[in-house]
Amino acid sequence: EDKVVQSPLSLVVHEGDTVTLNCSYEVTNFRSLLWYKQEKKAPTFLFMLTSSGIEKKSGRLSSILDKKELFSILNITATQTGDSAVYLCAVGDTGFQKLVFGTGTRLLVSP
Amino acid sequence: SAVISQKPSRDICQRGTSLTIQCQVDSQVTMMFWYRQQPGQSLTLIATANQGSEATYESGFVIDKFPISRPNLTFSTLTVSNMSPEDSSIYLCSVPSTGGEKLFFGSGTQLSVL
Repeated sequence: EDKVVQSPLSLVVHEGDTVTLNCSYEVTNFRSLLWYKQEKKAPTFLFMLTSSGIEKKSGRLSSILDKKELFSILNITATQTGDSAVYLCAVGDTGFQKLVFGTGTRLLVSP
Repeated sequence: SAVISQKPSRDICQRGTSLTIQCQVDSQVTMMFWYRQQPGQSLTLIATANQGSEATYESGFVIDKFPISRPNLTFSTLTVSNMSPEDSSIYLCSVPSTGGEKLFFGSGTQLSVL
């Protein structure tokens, strides 16, 4: 059974701190790993990773995948209060578009 | 990315009643997915809604409890039937990107069952 585990479950930091969120996975036929940000109800897409060692970057957020060790990290530098959200990791199996999600990391950035 | 409208945004319902959630997409899509997120839990796929055929349900979800309609390529509904407090969740519809690698989500429905 495909499985995604995220850590930590929750995290509280001060504005300006750098955080690293972790995602490990087990999937039969790996296709992609995706990161989403969920502020209220709807997850919004951040990154999709398919190849090891290639960093994806968007502003203060970056992510990288290690397909050998079966994990990914999401880094947020110079955190802001607007980064407070649940960050979800999901993996896609080959052949179809269904995703398996982790339980998420709840990040709270205090002023 | 597709624009996905979902309604209602939230509702409070009595146990034993049913609620129908609507999902409208601004472009035609072959597949639509319905997810549930129970409090503090991960997103769990309920079913895949295919136009012109019956929905495909994941293990643990049945059509009698979660009937789905897909009358055309831009619209789907999910009904939560005979509700109990355990059905209190966020319900999300989603559609794949053109290449199929990503999912985009509707605005979600927060359901509370008393």
